[in-house]
Amino acid sequence: RKEVEQDPGPFNVPEGATVAFNCTYSNSASQSFFWYRQDCRKEPKLLMSVYSSGNEDGRFTAQLNRASQYISLLIRDSKLSDSATYLCVRHYKLSFGAGTTVTVRA
Amino acid sequence: IAGITQAPTSQILAAGRRMTLRCTQDMRHNAMYWYRQDLGLGLRLIHYSNTAGTTGKGEVPDGYSVSRANTDDFPLTLASAVPSQTSVYFCASSESTENTEAFFGQGTRLTVV
Repeated sequence: RKEVEQDPGPFNVPEGATVAFNCTYSNSASQSFFWYRQDCRKEPKLLMSVYSSGNEDGRFTAQLNRASQYISLLIRDSKLSDSATYLCVRHYKLSFGAGTTVTVRA
Repeated sequence: IAGITQAPTSQILAAGRRMTLRCTQDMRHNAMYWYRQDLGLGLRLIHYSNTAGTTGKGEVPDGYSVSRANTDDFPLTLASAVPSQTSVYFCASSESTENTEAFFGQGTRLTVV
């Protein structure tokens, strides 16, 4: 079993919608997580970090639920440019989930 | 411009041949990583290095070797390539292996035939 598991999607949403998805982790000792964004055939880039209970950056909100061992990412007011694959990462040795694909349609 | 670079960008390689993928960073990061990315499987860690002079095995190390002779370079070697090693390879670096942002190279697309 992978250390980090994600729903692969795809999530197809209209512009302006809210989309949310989760990532579960197996190691209860894990302290910090990150969400990375990857565009098709490009390298992953950091979207936001999740150190304690959560983090918010503009339209993006990440939450960490230690009791249930999952991290969530919520995107409000989706834009076409939000279409990408979102990778959940346990930061010790950079353990990646397989990614969740989001497609925002006009 | 500071960053992390990989070479080559793409390569077609005959099975059985030896190949070294190069990775260089100029950010003086301690930690470096090699991943392969395959459709549906995400990024899988091959090898990593906490600091110059040390290396460790990741999730899928078989068939690959690495060295870390200095801070900047972290080459990945396929001693005898097989078709199952066809993949996109990403190198990354971070200040440490915990709690710091990782920066990725642009990737190397390797096809073993």
